[in-house]
Amino acid sequence: GQNIDQPTEMTATEGAIVQINCTYQTSGFNGLFWYQQHAGEAPTFLSYNVLDGLEEKGRFSSFLSRSKGYSYLLLKELQMKDSASYLCAVKGSNYQLIWGAGTKLIIKP
Amino acid sequence: GAVVSQHPSRVICKSGTSVKIECRSLDFQATTMFWYRQFPKQSLMLMATSNEGSKATYEQGVEKDKFLINHASLTLSTLTVTSAHPEDSSFYICSASEMDERGYNEQFFGPGTRLTVL
Repeated sequence: GQNIDQPTEMTATEGAIVQINCTYQTSGFNGLFWYQQHAGEAPTFLSYNVLDGLEEKGRFSSFLSRSKGYSYLLLKELQMKDSASYLCAVKGSNYQLIWGAGTKLIIKP
Repeated sequence: GAVVSQHPSRVICKSGTSVKIECRSLDFQATTMFWYRQFPKQSLMLMATSNEGSKATYEQGVEKDKFLINHASLTLSTLTVTSAHPEDSSFYICSASEMDERGYNEQFFGPGTRLTVL
């Protein structure tokens, strides 16, 4: 079967760094996405990885290891507005997205 | 980035009525549109995938006669929830994608429609 695992909830302190992990087992791989979703809103795109390595975009970075079926999203200099759910999604062999359940990130002052 | 709109943003209806939700890609032509449903504190669940001019492909367990999808143009898809019941109350989100030359088709999400069936 196809499976994407990420922690249910994480807590971090404003100004700190947090890493949200995602492991996947899918039939085929055509890229991995990270989305941010605030409560009651639709997801917004954060990053896309299709090759191994680190993609940096401002305070957010995303890493991929295809051989390990592993990715992480790194958030630096955390701000209160970063409190949200972070969704990991893998594009499988049929090019449709397979979604993880999301990680709720709570930022404390 | 590309913009996708969704209308209405919220709807409250009586049990047994039908509700139509529109999804529009405003500044690009969407070859494919997706409809998702999300229950509180759960992840997105893909309901169906539609390509312009062809019938939608429904995910297992989604009743195609209850959730009617029409993708009449490259910028508009509609989802009609027929004979809605309280268990259909959920957050419905559409997304649209345009395939580029790399085969890369990031999905752009609409703002979602919160449906409450009384």
